[in-house]
Amino acid sequence: GAVVSQHPSRVICKSGTSVKIECRSLDFQATTMFWYRQFPKQSLMLMATSNEGSKATYEQGVEKDKFLINHASLTLSTLTVTSAHPEDSSFYICSVLAGGLDTQYFGPGTRLTVL
Amino acid sequence: GQQLNQSPQSMFIQEGEDVSMNCTSSSIFNTWLWYKQDPGEGPVLLIALYKAGELTSNGRLTAQFGITRKDSFLNISASIPSDVGIYFCAGDYSNYQLIWGAGTKLIIKP
Repeated sequence: GAVVSQHPSRVICKSGTSVKIECRSLDFQATTMFWYRQFPKQSLMLMATSNEGSKATYEQGVEKDKFLINHASLTLSTLTVTSAHPEDSSFYICSVLAGGLDTQYFGPGTRLTVL
Repeated sequence: GQQLNQSPQSMFIQEGEDVSMNCTSSSIFNTWLWYKQDPGEGPVLLIALYKAGELTSNGRLTAQFGITRKDSFLNISASIPSDVGIYFCAGDYSNYQLIWGAGTKLIIKP
C-alpha cells in the first residue's frame, strides 16, 4: 500500500491566490521530507529539505518566501505556494526519508495549474 | 553545478527486446539510484547502488555503479508492456539530496 500521500492530487487556482499542498507519511514517522517540482517532460528538481521542528533548507534559486514549508509533525509537511502565477504551474512531489537512500519514498504528486 | 547526463532520451523497442540506458557525470557520487515514474505518479525506486563497481539485479533489471563513480547503467532484459514509463537515474551528493538525470522514456511498439 501507499507509504506517502499527497493532497490534493490536482488543483487549479487563479493567479495571485495561495495553494497549500499536504504530504503525509502513512507508515512511519519522518523527521526529513523533501519537496520537488517537475516540469512536463523534465526531471525532478529538489526545492527544499523539510525538517520536523525546524526551518526548511531551500535549494539555491528557490524563493523561501514564495514556497512556504511547514513540517509541524513527524507525519505531515505542507508546501504553500503563495501568490501563485502561471509559471508556478508544475507537478509537485514530496518524498519521505525513512532511513537510508533506498528508503526514500515518493508521494504520488500534486498537479498545480495556475490560470 | 553538478549534472547528470542521461541517455538515450527515449527508446522505441519491441516487446521482448533488451533495453540499456546510462548516466554519466563530471562529478563523483557516493550513491547511484535508478527510479521508474509512471504518468501522473511519483518515482518508484528500482535499484540502489552504493559501491564503485557494484552490479545489482532486481528481477529483469540489472544496474552497475561505474568504477570511476561517475557513471551507471541500467539494463532491462526481455521487456514487457508494463515496463513502459520514464526511467531516471539519480545521484546522492549531500545529506540524501539527489541530483536527477533528465530521464529515459521507454516506449514499447505493439
